[in-house]
Amino acid sequence: GAVVSQHPSWVICKSGTSVKIECRSLDFQATTMFWYRQFPKQSLMLMATSNEGSKATYEQGVEKDKFLINHASLTLSTLTVTSAHPEDSSFYICSARGLAGGDGRHNEQFFGPGTRLTVL
Amino acid sequence: KNEVEQSPQNLTAQEGEFITINCSYSVGISALHWLQQHPGGGIVSLFMLSSGKKKHGRLIATINIQEKHSSLHITASHPRDSAVYICAVSYGKLTFGQGTILTVHP
Repeated sequence: GAVVSQHPSWVICKSGTSVKIECRSLDFQATTMFWYRQFPKQSLMLMATSNEGSKATYEQGVEKDKFLINHASLTLSTLTVTSAHPEDSSFYICSARGLAGGDGRHNEQFFGPGTRLTVL
Repeated sequence: KNEVEQSPQNLTAQEGEFITINCSYSVGISALHWLQQHPGGGIVSLFMLSSGKKKHGRLIATINIQEKHSSLHITASHPRDSAVYICAVSYGKLTFGQGTILTVHP
């Protein structure tokens, strides 16, 4: 399947600092990228959907000024957690959907490996 | 009631056993996904289904659109199959089930 990478894979930061997480589609152009958050022993929760070149659409309850999403190119989306607090500690996962070859899989989402954020 | 329900929530098996995980949903969907999440957290997409049945190695996924039900089967289970298996339905965005924790003992 198509490959999606995330960087960093884990990060520890102090409360009040900002953290940027990158999501890259390595072998296809991702017209849409999704950002999810997963707390321990819970399922994934969609935070926002971003389409290349336009503003992200945030899910209800997700603060757009706190979780800044940029999808400036067809292969890169970034999530910046601003003024991080301990309650932002979580596992953040991105997925990408695009024109993954000519095998009809263009509606499939490909997931990144995730980024574990710990805010002290 | 959640839009996507999985059963069982926890499943323990001995190596070699045939395993079935079920997923029921209550909304109209364009596709259903089966995902695997290992303890490290990374997610792998196993199948995307909109009808019928798909097979990949020891994994088989089926879906019945009329009954709004899907099953994931693992034949000849192995300890390396131990993971969380997640059902997700797509209708514009993905909605996830709560996951099934599978543990396969040698």
